[in-house]
Amino acid sequence: EVQLLESGGGLVQPGGSLRLSCAASGLTFSTYAMSWVRQAPGKGLEWVSTIGRSGDNTYYADSVKGRFTISRDNSKNTLYLQMNSLRAEDTAVYYCAKWAVSGRGNYFDYWGQGTLVTVSS
Amino acid sequence: AIQMTQSPSSLSASVGDRVTITCRASQDIRNYLGWYQQKPGKAPKLLIYAASSLQSGVPSRFSGSGSGTDFTLTISSLQPEDFATYYCLQHYTYPLTFGGGTRVEIK
Repeated sequence: EVQLLESGGGLVQPGGSLRLSCAASGLTFSTYAMSWVRQAPGKGLEWVSTIGRSGDNTYYADSVKGRFTISRDNSKNTLYLQMNSLRAEDTAVYYCAKWAVSGRGNYFDYWGQGTLVTVSS
Repeated sequence: AIQMTQSPSSLSASVGDRVTITCRASQDIRNYLGWYQQKPGKAPKLLIYAASSLQSGVPSRFSGSGSGTDFTLTISSLQPEDFATYYCLQHYTYPLTFGGGTRVEIK
């Protein structure tokens, strides 16, 4: 069974930093692209970032570009999101999600339970 | 960035009703669209991928259609467990973009 377990969320002051982790199990982690998706309180879903299988290709939402860095350690089956220069508007539940690529289509087929990041003084 | 306009933003319906949710893309995204269901406090769940393919394990009352810029999610007979918020997601190009969501409430 595929499991994704996020950790690292918490309360941080504006301008501060935080690193989120997503530990994956039940899958061959290195063969899948992975992403972070966030959801501000009471708001909709927002894609944040995606990283390719080997980590060579990364993509970011404009809202986090230059402040957030996605990375992965395939030897540890773990995805990361380093978040710097945090702003109040970054307050959200952050989900990691597995990106499935098949001949019939691509999609997020597994999600973690989410970790809450609160940016406040 | 491609904008996904989802409508309605909310709707009230009764058990057994047929429900239709639409998503319009600001440019042609072929069939690079998925539909997700989210219940309060839970992670999203994939319902439909490639615009019209039903994810394994999802009840057949859910269906998707469309291509290009206009897409539809239909629930043929609404069940109590279907009251949730639904999102479309385009993955034709980065940045990936979600629709604003449709909250389906009990009438």
